[in-house]
Formats: sequence, C-alpha cells, structure tokens
Amino acid sequence: GENVEQHPSTLSVQEGDSAVIKCTYSDSASNYFPWYKQELGKRPQLIIDIRSNVGEKKDQRIAVTLNKTAKHFSLHITETQPEDSAVYFCAASKDSGTYKYIFGTGTRLKVLA
Amino acid sequence: NAGVTQTPKFRVLKTGQSMTLLCAQDMNHEYMYWYRQDPGMGLRLIHYSVGEGTTAKGEVPDGYNVSRLKKQNFLLGLESAAPSQTSVYFCASSYSLGVGQPQHFGDGTRLSIL
Repeated sequence: GENVEQHPSTLSVQEGDSAVIKCTYSDSASNYFPWYKQELGKRPQLIIDIRSNVGEKKDQRIAVTLNKTAKHFSLHITETQPEDSAVYFCAASKDSGTYKYIFGTGTRLKVLA
Repeated sequence: NAGVTQTPKFRVLKTGQSMTLLCAQDMNHEYMYWYRQDPGMGLRLIHYSVGEGTTAKGEVPDGYNVSRLKKQNFLLGLESAAPSQTSVYFCASSYSLGVGQPQHFGDGTRLSIL
C-alpha cells in the first residue's frame, strides 16, 4: 500500500547549524507534499509545501526539495534556533478526489543552545 | 474565525463506555478528517468525509464510527471504548478544489481509556 518513510526519527543540532529531514514515498501518483511542525502538546501546523511541478521551494530559513524520479523530498532548515525544536512530519497526497494524506512517522528535532 | 475547534480537550473513560468527539470548522471546507496520534507512529487516518452526508474509512477505522450531518461538523464516536484507543485525536479540514489543499488541524482531544 501507500507508504511514506521519514528519517531520521530524532535529530540534534547546534544552534546556528542546518538540519535536514528526508522522506521517501511509494506512490508515484503523489503530487503534493506538505510539511507540518508540531510543538509539544500543540496542533500540527503547516510550515511549507511543494507541488510535483516544482523542484524546490524556499520560505526564509526553510526550504523543501523534491526529486520525483527518486520519489523523495527533503526539508532543510538553515540557521536553526531553539524555537525550531519540535516534531516535524512530512506527508504525501495525490489528486484522487479525497486528497488523503499519508504521513511519515515524524522527526523530533532538538536545537541545542 | 476560529478555524477548527475540537471538544472536549481531555477525557478519561472506563473500558466499555461510549463517547462522541466533536469537530467543528468555520472555513466552509468540504473535506474533514479524523486522525489518531500515537508515540512513534505519526498521524493515522481513522475516517474522513468529502461532504455533508458522506463518510469513508481510513487506515484504522475499527472501533470508531463517524457522522457528517452538517457541513461544518464531523463527529467521531467510540461505541465501546478499549484501552487500545487511548490516544490523541486530531480533526482536520481542507478545501476540495484542486490538488495541494493544506489540511488545517484542531488542537486535539487527549483521550485515556482505563
């Protein structure tokens, strides 16, 4: 069935360093890839997304890249800050009439001051 | 504009009890979703709805029922609660038009079954 694998499950970086989280999807028909940030005890919140007709998208310190051939996409956070500490989820979706998401299992990012 | 509102925020049940979780959205979204979130397993889809009066099963539907009598509301029911249903439940909604519609989440309901 449809599957999204996310790595690593935990990631610790020093403040100011970059962080990279990678996801691989199985359904080649997937064409929308959102990333969510979830702080402890809070709701998941969309931080960036990318559609399959685009290879890269940036929003200030956050960027997402997509490799359709390899079926993987990555989240890049530069100049990390303590407030970036959270759990990050990737997801994949396709234009099937339901727009269901298949979520990765999450990455706990810790930014060490 | 409150977005997606879930009630209650917390609940403790005994095994075998029933309850209903309510999700309400004020964004006129067609699509609504119920997820459960367990440690290390991400968000798993329980049931979803593509419009008023329609519902469908997600990947973990057993033990749950849903109803979408009004466009703005999506109810999740547990008929006979089991300890395995202890989890955090999130509701989400999105527009239906076109690919790439972000899902907007509520604050969650933390449910414990004793």
